[in-house]
Amino acid sequence: GAVVSQHPSWVICKSGTSVKIECRSLDFQATTMFWYRQFPKQSLMLMATSNEGSKATYEQGVEKDKFLINHASLTLSTLTVTSAHPEDSSFYICSAPRTGELFFGEGSRLTVL
Amino acid sequence: AQSVTQLGSHVSVSEGALVLLRCNYSSSVPPYLFWYVQYPNQGLQLLLKYTTGATLVKGINGFEAEFKKSETSFHLTKPSAHMSDAAEYFCAVSASGGYQKVTFGIGTKLQVIP
Repeated sequence: GAVVSQHPSWVICKSGTSVKIECRSLDFQATTMFWYRQFPKQSLMLMATSNEGSKATYEQGVEKDKFLINHASLTLSTLTVTSAHPEDSSFYICSAPRTGELFFGEGSRLTVL
Repeated sequence: AQSVTQLGSHVSVSEGALVLLRCNYSSSVPPYLFWYVQYPNQGLQLLLKYTTGATLVKGINGFEAEFKKSETSFHLTKPSAHMSDAAEYFCAVSASGGYQKVTFGIGTKLQVIP
């Protein structure tokens, strides 16, 4: 069964609104989680590293104020896309390391109209 | 610095035929190498990984890959393709073994023809 779960799987929103995506580790604690973005026919690009109890570490070129990450507990990290625009439409995936392996969530497809 | 090159963004094979997905990497230190599979609108699932030791690595669903240092390659193979193997496959490298430093290839979409 899944060890990392994302919610929602699909979300459609209007331009200018904010959207929150949750990433949960099931049955284990994850002090670190990773958020990726995947454009059509492209690979995963690491956006940020979510750290429980401290600020997220963002990759170069990723807007911190645009993509807010909160890792409030050892099993939950959230990614909030603020003031979403059509160019933010993408597939967002999270992952968490456990026992020497990276486990990925199911992904969340965001469509901004 | 590290990088991954997957040769062929699309590969088509007949059901029952050999599957060969190519991956070359570059790394300044001994690499950790991974193959992941992604089904439509889903996250990635680990097929297999190489860290140290035996260079021929066996994974799930009958896949295997061989680490060839001299060729800087980590090609994925399966003797006989099944329809359920149709998916996108990503090769990845981590030079340090740290998960935040995993670099993914662009992916190869495998089509299995009945």
